[in-house]
Amino acid sequence: GAVVSQHPSWVICKSGTSVKIECRSLDFQATTMFWYRQFPKQSLMLMATSNEGSKATYEQGVEKDKFLINHASLTLSTLTVTSAHPEDSSFYICSASVTAGYEQYFGPGTRLTVT
Amino acid sequence: QKEVEQDPGPLSVPEGAIVSLNCTYSNSAFQYFMWYRQYSRKGPELLMYTYSSGNKEDGRFTAQVDKSSKYISLFIRDSQPSDSATYLCAMSSLTGAGSYQLTFGKGTKLSVIP
Repeated sequence: GAVVSQHPSWVICKSGTSVKIECRSLDFQATTMFWYRQFPKQSLMLMATSNEGSKATYEQGVEKDKFLINHASLTLSTLTVTSAHPEDSSFYICSASVTAGYEQYFGPGTRLTVT
Repeated sequence: QKEVEQDPGPLSVPEGAIVSLNCTYSNSAFQYFMWYRQYSRKGPELLMYTYSSGNKEDGRFTAQVDKSSKYISLFIRDSQPSDSATYLCAMSSLTGAGSYQLTFGKGTKLSVIP
């Protein structure tokens, strides 16, 4: 149980284009979903928290107009990186929770490379 | 001082050894304490979580929390090569919006040598 999937697992895009990453909870309904990014040999940094049907809460320093988050249902959240630049290249990981976040289950991550 | 401190290692042990992984923290508001295992290029996998001070055991894994010292540990008994991964400690605190936010340590990279 508690399986979270992400799609795609790896994406390469050109600078200036937009990329959408999907996060799905496969066998449970997630009241809250989280988006993180992780640079090599660094820990996970929380980007934003989203609840189904409401606007995401972004962490300080994260541009909400650049990283668009849509939490359309209790099993799906999407992160769109708009006008991507090489510095956006990173490992993006989502997590889902039924307990408002103290117990989070993570997806396998999406590796984004912007050329 | 960072909220959560974790020695990044790397830590290399022979198969069968007991492994001790540790984190310290400074924020008294942390309520739940988790250990995650992350294989290379994969998402973290929740191993254990605890709420109160004391020990919690699950198979070969024991999580220990000492809130008075702001110190948590994960022990792995009879370590196996398949335990080779990065181990992340994480701690949660309640946000003003009513959800819990996780703060992660940097992770300790563990290698178990056959």
